[in-house]
Amino acid sequence: KNEVEQSPQNLTAQEGEFITINCSYSVGISALHWLQQHPGGGIVSLFMLSSGKKKHGRLIATINIQEKHSSLHITASHPRDSAVYICAVLTSGSRLTFGEGTQLTVNP
Amino acid sequence: DTAVSQTPKYLVTQMGNDKSIKCEQNLGHDTMYWYKQDSKKFLKIMFSYNNKELIINETVPNRFSPKSPDKAHLNLHINSLELGDSAVYFCASSGTVNQPQHFGDGTRLSIL
Repeated sequence: KNEVEQSPQNLTAQEGEFITINCSYSVGISALHWLQQHPGGGIVSLFMLSSGKKKHGRLIATINIQEKHSSLHITASHPRDSAVYICAVLTSGSRLTFGEGTQLTVNP
Repeated sequence: DTAVSQTPKYLVTQMGNDKSIKCEQNLGHDTMYWYKQDSKKFLKIMFSYNNKELIINETVPNRFSPKSPDKAHLNLHINSLELGDSAVYFCASSGTVNQPQHFGDGTRLSIL
């Protein structure tokens, strides 16, 4: 079993919908990352958080350290949000351990 | 202007060959990383260097050897390439290990 589990694996939404992607982890962490990988393959860091909540534009990330759970929300989704969203946790020894990613498709 | 640049973008070669992938960052970061993304798109850390010193060395065959001539460069040399080495390799950097990482565009390695 992977130390980082994401759900759902695949998500299809209509433009304008509110989207939630979940990430659960089973190890002690110092921080959690949300990454975005576009169809072209490039990877962009969206958030790095160790507590609470962060917001950037239409994206919101939350983390509950006690429950070992994080969520990534996208408000007013748009086709350009279509990408793979990857959760990764920073563990002891400064290692990033990745989830398997969530493929998001937003249809117009 | 590119923050983290990898070369080449594509690498197609025969089994048994030796090849290198170069990575350079112009962000002034102290820490650099190599990741492997397999055919199922799963990312895994391979190596990490902090100020030219190796700090992470995952269970990677010793055919893979990272080299950091200075803190702005982290190259990956692979000896005796095997079919299973086919993947996309990403370089990344961060100010410190506790800061967000900036990724290169990836190098798609195909072994024939």
